[in-house]
Amino acid sequence: GESVGLHLPTLSVQEGDNSIINCAYSNSASDYFIWYKQESGKGPQFIIDIRSNMDKRQGQRVTVLLNKTVKHLSLQIAATQPGDSAVYFCAELPRSGYNKLIFGAGTRLAVHP
Amino acid sequence: ETGVTQTPRHLVMGMTNKKSLKCEQHLGHNAMYWYKQSAKKPLELMFVYNFKEQTENNSVPSRFSPECPNSSHLFLHLHTLQPEDSALYLCASSQDGNTEAFFGQGTRLTVV
Repeated sequence: GESVGLHLPTLSVQEGDNSIINCAYSNSASDYFIWYKQESGKGPQFIIDIRSNMDKRQGQRVTVLLNKTVKHLSLQIAATQPGDSAVYFCAELPRSGYNKLIFGAGTRLAVHP
Repeated sequence: ETGVTQTPRHLVMGMTNKKSLKCEQHLGHNAMYWYKQSAKKPLELMFVYNFKEQTENNSVPSRFSPECPNSSHLFLHLHTLQPEDSALYLCASSQDGNTEAFFGQGTRLTVV
């Protein structure tokens, strides 16, 4: 389930630090956004979502921020752990795109002890 | 486990072979999807089924043929593939078209 071969941007962080992964989305009509985590050998796993009527949503150790003005989405991971090492994808669902999630290229997060 | 099971996990096939990928979801969802994840591109939507009816074919070559006999099962029939079709094929399901999709582990396909 890895994106080996794709030249993904990589974020390297120390264990315990906070991580911020950014995503620029393309469609101003998108009204639903999701962050997925993909570990090596696995399919993408849902982390957190946010709808366009919100600016911020928090989960367990994760926070998603949405800036509709500049079409920017970010995922913040608090106290990053080695188990957080994975490729992270943002996905957007355009208002007219029923069933058509559009995925970004992904960011590789590497957590160092 | 996410509730979406794909078999086989790995498949090597020749260009003249015919094979099928299988997906089963245990989540009671009504929409199922096939995605392709290759080394050179991000996740690409291939097909969408809602209540067993195909609602999306994202310009996929006819050598890929989906089948959805019921809302819980999805197949991808493969024939006369090309080496560039080698990729990770992911199945997903969702409750409707406006919520998150849950993915299976994928089938790693190698065409030789």
